[in-house]
Amino acid sequence: DQQVKQNSPSLSVQEGRISILNCDYTNSMFDYFLWYKKYPAEGPTFLISISSIKDKNEDGRFTVFLNKSAKHLSLHIVPSQPGDSAVYFCAATGNQAGTALIFGKGTTLSVSS
Amino acid sequence: ETGVTQTPRHLVMGMTNKKSLKCEQHLGHNAMYWYKQSAKKPLELMFVYNFKEQTENNSVPSRFSPECPNSSHLFLHLHTLQPEDSALYLCASSRRGLAEKLLFGSGTQLSVL
Repeated sequence: DQQVKQNSPSLSVQEGRISILNCDYTNSMFDYFLWYKKYPAEGPTFLISISSIKDKNEDGRFTVFLNKSAKHLSLHIVPSQPGDSAVYFCAATGNQAGTALIFGKGTTLSVSS
Repeated sequence: ETGVTQTPRHLVMGMTNKKSLKCEQHLGHNAMYWYKQSAKKPLELMFVYNFKEQTENNSVPSRFSPECPNSSHLFLHLHTLQPEDSALYLCASSRRGLAEKLLFGSGTQLSVL
């Protein structure tokens, strides 16, 4: 049973518009959430994270929103750029030290110019 | 350069072959991980090592055998694999207790014929 779900396998957006990637989780013990970005033939790279004590974290064009009651988080990219085209993985971890990350299946974002 | 180096980048092997994947980091990280990425599936955690001790084994078949001789090196020994084991195998490292700060290598793309 998947604990972290990304139900949209792909998303297409025009350059300059907003990209919204969604993620749902089932484990209420998760308290730290991350987004990773992956280009072909490369490993995932960390993008942005949020702790469960917050509901929003912003870093430049990237903002992550967390709705704990709905067990839902989203990544907003504004404005979207062609270089943002990649696979985006949502990940979560629990409150025990050393607990490994649990990932979703990923969403492939395509930004057209 | 991500700081986590995986070799080889690509590997093709028959079902009767024995091969090993190698991962190394010199970042001072003391936790190392093997993840598997199959098409249309989440990144699956396979093994976790903390201070060279295996702390997690997520029901991985015995045809995958990890080895962690020191905190800087991690191996994944492969033998009698199946075609369904074809996937991208990703190594990652972090400081113990900071699993959210995972740093990934570029992965080994494995094809089992």
